[in-house]
Amino acid sequence: KNQVEQSPQSLIILEGKNCTLQCNYTVSPFSNLRWYKQDTGRGPVSLTIMTFSENTKSNGRYTATLDADTKQSSLHITASQLSDSASYICVVSSWANNFGNEKLTFGTGTRLTIIP
Amino acid sequence: DAGITQSPRYKITETGRQVTLMCHQTWSHSYMFWYRQDLGHGLRLIYYSAAADITDKGEVPDGYVVSRSKTENFPLTLESATRSQTSVYFCASSVTTGGNHNEQFFGPGTRLTVL
Repeated sequence: KNQVEQSPQSLIILEGKNCTLQCNYTVSPFSNLRWYKQDTGRGPVSLTIMTFSENTKSNGRYTATLDADTKQSSLHITASQLSDSASYICVVSSWANNFGNEKLTFGTGTRLTIIP
Repeated sequence: DAGITQSPRYKITETGRQVTLMCHQTWSHSYMFWYRQDLGHGLRLIYYSAAADITDKGEVPDGYVVSRSKTENFPLTLESATRSQTSVYFCASSVTTGGNHNEQFFGPGTRLTVL
């Protein structure tokens, strides 16, 4: 069964500090891995999409890493800001004969709170 | 305004009633999706559509009906709402699927409560 597990479930850090969120997955066959940011009361917004051959990708202060051998990914946030308070969702895409040829498996997210 | 919108944003209904959630996108994306988000679960796919008049079931389709007569609209209907359908519903769209950069763009969500 395809699964995506994220840790920690929640995290509180001081503004300006760095943090790293983890994602482990058992999804096959692997297509790509995505990180989404979801603000409270809003829909998820894509931060990065990484394919099998990419092991790091940045989007401003967000840097995602992917180790396809160990099936792990991380999202590192540098110099956190109050606006970074949100849930961060790891999503793994697998090839499928249905679901429009691509099935997304969503993690339950890490709830990040930045305090001043 | 361009983008993907959902209506209503909040809905309270009673068990057994029919409810329709609306989704509209202005990008002319081929693919549209309906997900539900519940505590302790990742988003789960209810239905998707590859184009107008083409729809198919996702992981959790029971109790839901969809249609897509126009590319830009993808309504989701709960034919007889049950308490277990209390959830936050997200609509999404993408140009296509099956590729490395087929980002899905999500709407703001509809919070549905079934009493």
